[in-house]
Amino acid sequence: DAGVIQSPRHEVTEMGQEVTLRCKPISGHNSLFWYRQTMMRGLELLIYFNNNVPIDDSGMPEDRFSAKMPNASFSTLKIQPSEPRDSAVYFCASSLGSGGVYNEQFFGPGTRLTVL
Amino acid sequence: SQQGEEDPQALSIQEGENATMNCSYKTSINNLQWYRQNSGRGLVHLILIRSNEREKHSGRLRVTLDTSKKSSSLLITASRAADTASYFCATDEGNAGNMLTFGGGTRLMVKP
Repeated sequence: DAGVIQSPRHEVTEMGQEVTLRCKPISGHNSLFWYRQTMMRGLELLIYFNNNVPIDDSGMPEDRFSAKMPNASFSTLKIQPSEPRDSAVYFCASSLGSGGVYNEQFFGPGTRLTVL
Repeated sequence: SQQGEEDPQALSIQEGENATMNCSYKTSINNLQWYRQNSGRGLVHLILIRSNEREKHSGRLRVTLDTSKKSSSLLITASRAADTASYFCATDEGNAGNMLTFGGGTRLMVKP
């Protein structure tokens, strides 16, 4: 398996533009997570899906952020409009699910977003 | 403060020495995990210890868990320059779901 795949790896955009980050989880994994990592705030959970259904989106900063998981093999995180404070590394992770020993998470390589 | 606080925030040692990192948490847990992150990369799972376990080994890694003190430690023995990375603990906060709460991490530098 290729692991969790994220695209793009790097994104530079201007304030006000729409940004879409993409993630393909590991095949067979039931849970998918979007995180944001910055030096100031560390690793923050933004949203978590289980079986394609959003379970907890309490970490989504504001209405400018939205996430979808139309099927088991694809998820998007969209920022519209983007702001400079959104600059961060965004990670997608997946896990087999069901808690216990099955909640080990596998992380993608991340998307480094810079909003000018 | 947040669940899963690592201590120290940064650690610098010489190759061959042992490195010990600590993690404290606040709620009951089902398990506690340690992850490693190399610069510019995603986190990689190292080891999981269940709440009914006190110690676990994996290669040069040794993890302990003290649920009465709500704390865990990660020991890396005979460190190598390649161990230079950030190390995070993560807890499930006792929920039956799959969410993990990550601490702020310990930045380890191993000097050759």
